[in-house]
Amino acid sequence: DIQMTQSPSSLSASVGDRVTITCQASQDISNYLNWYQQKPGKAPKLLIYDASNLETGVPSRFSGSGSGTDFTFTISSLQPEDIATYYCQQYDNLPPDGAFGGGTKVEIK
Amino acid sequence: EVQLVESGGGLVQPGGSLRLSCAASGFTFSSYAMSWVRQAPGKGLEWVSAISGSGGSTYYADSVKGRFTISRDNSKNTLYLQMNSLRAEDTAVYYCAKDRRKMATISAFDYWGQGTLVTVSS
Repeated sequence: DIQMTQSPSSLSASVGDRVTITCQASQDISNYLNWYQQKPGKAPKLLIYDASNLETGVPSRFSGSGSGTDFTFTISSLQPEDIATYYCQQYDNLPPDGAFGGGTKVEIK
Repeated sequence: EVQLVESGGGLVQPGGSLRLSCAASGFTFSSYAMSWVRQAPGKGLEWVSAISGSGGSTYYADSVKGRFTISRDNSKNTLYLQMNSLRAEDTAVYYCAKDRRKMATISAFDYWGQGTLVTVSS
């Protein structure tokens, strides 16, 4: 199984700050990596697919990069509505056991 | 507008069974793979099972293999998850999720239901 290591597990930043989350795969997954946002009590929402493609309707302050084993998710200017937990998800193998990273909880300082 | 509405959750005793349903609308259901993803209370997301658009291919996480069965009825635009031999560790909110890519099996999940809570407890 491919293991996804996401870091940090939580972070606190100020409004307007640049926020970066990383996800590392235990083996090469090319660009088969997605990022989701989940607000408390809500279903996850797809933000970035295939490592760097912004889902339709998602603000441009969100971005993703990387390939192979190392991936980065960035919020260029943190907004109050971005308070949520963010997850990476790989889909390189079938079945995608352990597809999701452990999550990063983003809070406002 | 794409909509996914889960139902069938509830309280069940260990060793019991439950069948979840996910009613889909707003897209050509048979063209897309579907998955179940669960989230235990206070925990992260766990992919559980997936099924191809035709229903001919199914996939399971090791944690549920042999106990859960995923199926779909494309004539009713409905996805199912039959859960048998339930354990306390199966307690979670179960989401159905649509695959983003037509004819893919698993890529990105672009639409999710609101979730249905399954509680396994005596």
